[in-house]
Amino acid sequence: AQSVTQLDSQVPVFEEAPVELRCNYSSSVSVYLFWYVQYPNQGLQLLLKYLSGSTLVKSINGFEAEFNKSQTSFHLRKPSVHISDTAEYFCAVSDRLFYGGSQGNLIFGKGTKLSVKP
Amino acid sequence: DADVTQTPRNRITKTGKRIMLECSQTKGHDRMYWYRQDPGLGLRLIYYSFDVKDINKGEISDGYSVSRQAQAKFSLSLESAIPNQTALYFCATASYSGANVLTFGAGSRLTVL
Repeated sequence: AQSVTQLDSQVPVFEEAPVELRCNYSSSVSVYLFWYVQYPNQGLQLLLKYLSGSTLVKSINGFEAEFNKSQTSFHLRKPSVHISDTAEYFCAVSDRLFYGGSQGNLIFGKGTKLSVKP
Repeated sequence: DADVTQTPRNRITKTGKRIMLECSQTKGHDRMYWYRQDPGLGLRLIYYSFDVKDINKGEISDGYSVSRQAQAKFSLSLESAIPNQTALYFCATASYSGANVLTFGAGSRLTVL
C-alpha cells in the first residue's frame, strides 16, 4: 500500500521569496504523482502531475516538481511566490495499476498550508 | 455550470438525522468518488464507484452509504448523523483513461450538532 508524507503542515513565506513544499511517498510499485491546490473556500484543483517521461514537471503558474525515484520524493518548488499562491497544497500518489482496479486509488498527504505575506 | 456539482453546499443538522449529499457531473467520466476532508488529516476516501453497477468501500466507509443512480450521479448518505461526521465532503470524478486525474466539486460543508 502507498503512503504520502508532507513534511510541513504550514509554510509561511514573504512575497517574491522562493518556496519548497516537501513530499515523500512510499510504494512497492511504480507510481503516478500529483500536486493538487485548494484555494480558500474552494475544491481541489490539479496543479501538476508526473505520469512518465521527464522527471521535472511544470505548471502554468510557475510551480515545478521533480520526481526523484531514489529518494521517493516529489517536492514542489516555486522561485518567487505571489500573494495569490496562498492556499493549501496536497501531494498525492497512486500506483500504475489504475487501470486494473482499486489499487489505483489516489492517496493524499495531509496537506501543507502555504501562507504568502506581503 | 461547474463540471462537478455538489448539493447542498452547506448543511447544519442534528444528531440522528438522515442526510444525503448529492453529486452530479457533466464530464462524462465513469469513475466517481466521495472524500472527506478534516483539518490536518487531508482527504480520506469514503466510497468510490467505477461504473453504475460497481460500488466499493474506501478507507472510512463506516456510517456512510452511497448510491450511483446514473453514470452522472453519485450520492452519499449518512443514515444517522453523529457530531464526528462534521467535515467538508468532496465529490470527485475521473476517466478510466485519465491516469487518476481527479476533477473535484466545490465541496459540501456538513455540521452535525
